[in-house]
Amino acid sequence: GAVVSQHPSWVICKSGTSVKIECRSLDFQATTMFWYRQFPKQSLMLMATSNEGSKATYEQGVEKDKFLINHASLTLSTLTVTSAHPEDSSFYICSASGRGVFQETQYFGPGTRLLVL
Amino acid sequence: QQQVKQSPQSLIVQKGGISIINCAYENTAFDYFPWYQQFPGKGPALLIAIRPDVSEKKEGRFTISFNKSAKQFSLHIMDSQPGDSATYFCAATSGSRLTFGEGTQLTVNP
Repeated sequence: GAVVSQHPSWVICKSGTSVKIECRSLDFQATTMFWYRQFPKQSLMLMATSNEGSKATYEQGVEKDKFLINHASLTLSTLTVTSAHPEDSSFYICSASGRGVFQETQYFGPGTRLLVL
Repeated sequence: QQQVKQSPQSLIVQKGGISIINCAYENTAFDYFPWYQQFPGKGPALLIAIRPDVSEKKEGRFTISFNKSAKQFSLHIMDSQPGDSATYFCAATSGSRLTFGEGTQLTVNP
């Protein structure tokens, strides 16, 4: 149980374009989803938290207009990187928590590697 | 401010040896302490977790030791194998928020 998927697993795009990353909870209802960014050899940095049907709460320093998060259902959240630039290149990881045993901690997706040229 | 401090930053162990990673926390509101294992290019995977009312939890070769008074907890990997080579993150949960340690890169030599 507690399987989270992400799509795509990697994406290369040109500077100025927008990229959408999907995060799905496959076997439980994700009442809360989280988006992280990870730089090489570093820990995970929380970008935002979203509850199903509500607006995302962004961490300090994260541009909400650049990183659009939608959590429209209990199994799907999307992160859209708008007008991507090379400095947005990173490893993006989503996680999810739910109800009952799934609320104790977060379950992570496999990550999406973004390279902006 | 880093609320969960993890050490060592890197660890090299021979096959069959014991790997020990330590973490310390400050926030007494933390109520759940998971450990995650991350392989290169992959997301973190939940390895084992413990609640603060338990002093030790064992699952196979992995054991968490928890010292509530000292606000410290550690991961022991017995009979370490080359396949255990990965980055390990301790973490602490308060509500839905997860606070990570800095990570330990474990290398198990054959």
